[in-house]
Amino acid sequence: EAGVTQSPTHLIKTRGQQATLRCSPISGHTSVYWYQQALGLGLQFLLWYDEGEERNRGNFPPRFSGRQFPNYSSELNVNALELEDSALYLCASSVGPVLETQYFGPGTRLLVL
Amino acid sequence: SQKIEQNSEALNIQEGKTATLTCNYTNYSPAYLQWYRQDPGRGPVFLLLIRENEKEKRKERLKVTFDTTLKQSLFHITASQPADSATYLCALGSGNDMRFGAGTRLTVKP
Repeated sequence: EAGVTQSPTHLIKTRGQQATLRCSPISGHTSVYWYQQALGLGLQFLLWYDEGEERNRGNFPPRFSGRQFPNYSSELNVNALELEDSALYLCASSVGPVLETQYFGPGTRLLVL
Repeated sequence: SQKIEQNSEALNIQEGKTATLTCNYTNYSPAYLQWYRQDPGRGPVFLLLIRENEKEKRKERLKVTFDTTLKQSLFHITASQPADSATYLCALGSGNDMRFGAGTRLTVKP
């Protein structure tokens, strides 16, 4: 069974640009979660989607947004990139809205110059 | 405000010894607590979950305790091996909320 996949693995942008990160959950999983992990910091919860709807949102500005598609894959968009947005962005999925059994992807490393 | 603290940023131990990692929390009433392992450049991997009404959980060489009075969880790795070297994260959850600690980097020396 394929795990959670994320693309791209690495992304380099300049300040002010927009970044789009993609995530494909494990087959049969309907919930997708996005986290930011900056160097030396813990995982910070960004967004949670289930069945195409946004279920919860972390304490991040509106320039962090996303969506979930009918096939349950998801996109995270970061507008007006700032230097401090440089981080590892992790996606996780679960069978339904059950936070306690999340499976993580390998992450996308975003570098903002 | 809610806070999750993992005992130290880094822990170094000798192979064969028991590693003990601590997760303390304040201003939070989790329904469950989880421990994850994260290797450099990779996503976290789930290890163990313990619920608020459970005191202890074991899985092979791993043991987790959960004390809701002390607001603390202890994570033990017995007979540690160099392959156990990684960052270990605790995560607390309740309802629609789940929060992670910053992690403890464990190094097991041969």
